[in-house]
Amino acid sequence: DVQMTQSPASLSASIGDRVTITCRASQGISSYLAWYQQKPGKVPKLLIYSTSALHSGVPSRFSGSGSGTDFTLTISSLQPEDAATYYCQRYSTPPFTFGQGTRLEIK
Amino acid sequence: QVQLVESGGGVVRPGTSLRLSCVASGFSFGSYDMNWVRQAPGQGLEWVAFTSYDGRNKHHAESVKGRLSVSRDNSKNTLYLEMNSLRVEDTAVYHCARDFGQVAVDSWGPGTQVIVSP
Repeated sequence: DVQMTQSPASLSASIGDRVTITCRASQGISSYLAWYQQKPGKVPKLLIYSTSALHSGVPSRFSGSGSGTDFTLTISSLQPEDAATYYCQRYSTPPFTFGQGTRLEIK
Repeated sequence: QVQLVESGGGVVRPGTSLRLSCVASGFSFGSYDMNWVRQAPGQGLEWVAFTSYDGRNKHHAESVKGRLSVSRDNSKNTLYLEMNSLRVEDTAVYHCARDFGQVAVDSWGPGTQVIVSP
């Protein structure tokens, strides 16, 4: 099965910073990569699908890029409400594996 | 609006069985592929199972194959997860989640907690 590895596992950044989270697949997954945001005690929220398509209602400061095995989620200007754990997920053919998550804290 | 509500969780002993249900409303349930995703306490998300809209295609994570089984009844707008031979490591909150155009999951239920304890 394809493994999904996120880095870093956690990070701390300041308001206004540009933040990048990486997701690497153990083999090529084309563009079938999604990103989710999960805040404590809440269900995950879809941010980005198909590598770079912004889901409805998601602020434009979030963006995604990549192809093949290497993907990134970028927050262009960090806001206080972005404190959360972020997960990538491959969604081409099952199993729809998640990355282990990246915890983002605000300094 | 889309609503997914799970039920059926509880505290059980290892080796026993449980059936989770997820009732859907606010959308045409029978037209959507569906998933089960779980999250162990303090841990990340783990995809568990997938069923196509008509129940003909099903897939399960290796960690649950042969023990957990997804099914659905479109006449009742309900998704199920049959859980047999439960293990301590199956302890988690189980969410049903709606497929979004075969590229992601866009709606989640609040989840039902399963605790497997000796």
